[in-house]
Amino acid sequence: GQNIDQPTEMTATEGAIVQINCTYQTSGFNGLFWYQQHAGEAPTFLSYNVLDGLEEKGRFSSFLSRSKGYSYLLLKELQMKDSASYLCAVRSNDYKLSFGAGTTVTVRA
Amino acid sequence: EAQVTQNPRYLITVTGKKLTVTCSQNMNHEYMSWYRQDPGLGLRQIYYSMNVEVTDKGDVPEGYKVSRKEKRNFPLILESPSPNQTSLYFCASSFFDRGPNEQYFGPGTRLTVT
Repeated sequence: GQNIDQPTEMTATEGAIVQINCTYQTSGFNGLFWYQQHAGEAPTFLSYNVLDGLEEKGRFSSFLSRSKGYSYLLLKELQMKDSASYLCAVRSNDYKLSFGAGTTVTVRA
Repeated sequence: EAQVTQNPRYLITVTGKKLTVTCSQNMNHEYMSWYRQDPGLGLRQIYYSMNVEVTDKGDVPEGYKVSRKEKRNFPLILESPSPNQTSLYFCASSFFDRGPNEQYFGPGTRLTVT
């Protein structure tokens, strides 16, 4: 499988910006995903990167550098409902999908 | 409504008693997959299938079996469950070879093996 690392926890204030980093090692890269998972619920898709650069989707943006094996998810104008776990996942050429352990983001008022 | 369904949602069983967790999707997705989620370990892929009659091992296949006889169904079979298979299980599906092919997850099955 792949080696995927992301921080365990992050805390930020409502209205602020938080950046969640993800580093990975893979033998054949075929895309990187970010998912959001609220406690007790299923993961839901946030973003996808397969080429280098920034993908923006409203308050959420995701960046990829394939040469560095690095991605980040940027959450802007944080809201209380953004308190959740954020999962970085890498797809390999054989269509296996490997997830990091997840980053729990807590938004404080 | 487009969805992935899993049954049962909760199951408590004893060691060695065979069980099946069903998964069904109504989106005509080619790709289906099973994951288990454990604290501190994240989601780990058990098996995946890229189409009918095609299945492949993920990262943690030991102790599990799957089959893909129809496109919409992908059951997970535990022939002889053990306590270390106590976990939260998710089924997911997606298109194959069409852009990002993000996965849609079922609601999860919480399994306890005593």
